[in-house]
Amino acid sequence: EADIYQTPRYLVIGTGKKITLECSQTMGHDKMYWYQQDPGMELHLIHYSYGVNSTEKGDLSSESTVSRIRTEHFPLTLESARPSHTSQYLCASRIRGDTGELFFGEGSRLTVL
Amino acid sequence: RKEVEQDPGPFNVPEGATVAFNCTYSNSASQSFFWYRQDCRKEPKLLMSVYSSGNEDGRFTAQLNRASQYISLLIRDSKLSDSATYLCVVRYNFNKFYFGSGTKLNVKP
Repeated sequence: EADIYQTPRYLVIGTGKKITLECSQTMGHDKMYWYQQDPGMELHLIHYSYGVNSTEKGDLSSESTVSRIRTEHFPLTLESARPSHTSQYLCASRIRGDTGELFFGEGSRLTVL
Repeated sequence: RKEVEQDPGPFNVPEGATVAFNCTYSNSASQSFFWYRQDCRKEPKLLMSVYSSGNEDGRFTAQLNRASQYISLLIRDSKLSDSATYLCVVRYNFNKFYFGSGTKLNVKP
């Protein structure tokens, strides 16, 4: 089993609230990712990080921001949530090098009313 | 245009059947290829990597055709537990992974 954890698993909040989705991994992986997935749809990369103090935006435009102050921690923040942010957010990590395997957390399912 | 295209299915097959999924990718510079499995409302998990020479893992066989930019997955002797969505994944630019929307498989008794 992968040692990557996301909290909260489920969140229902009102429009305009600030939220932070937490992601932590204990595998010492350099690379971490945030994906967004709607039901029946593909995963879309919204942010990634090569290591501490390195973050990049993915291909899907997102109003969220991320930070990487510690190797094990990669939180995602929405300053003002809207109904269009309703989705599943999946965090993943992988080790440096060519091995391809992404390890995913169980996801955070966000509903904005 | 999507980076990775898959037939969404569903593929409804009886136990014991052989079933094949295909996917195509658009970027000829793609470096690595994978099949992931995603159960309903769960996170994706790696099923197998796909190598140029083709590779097999038990009942699962993966093939890659770089010239046609095409990847396949064959499942033999389907089990009820194989019911899931199978995601085709392509990596390029070293760190970016692109996921297909998945092919849904239902194995029935």
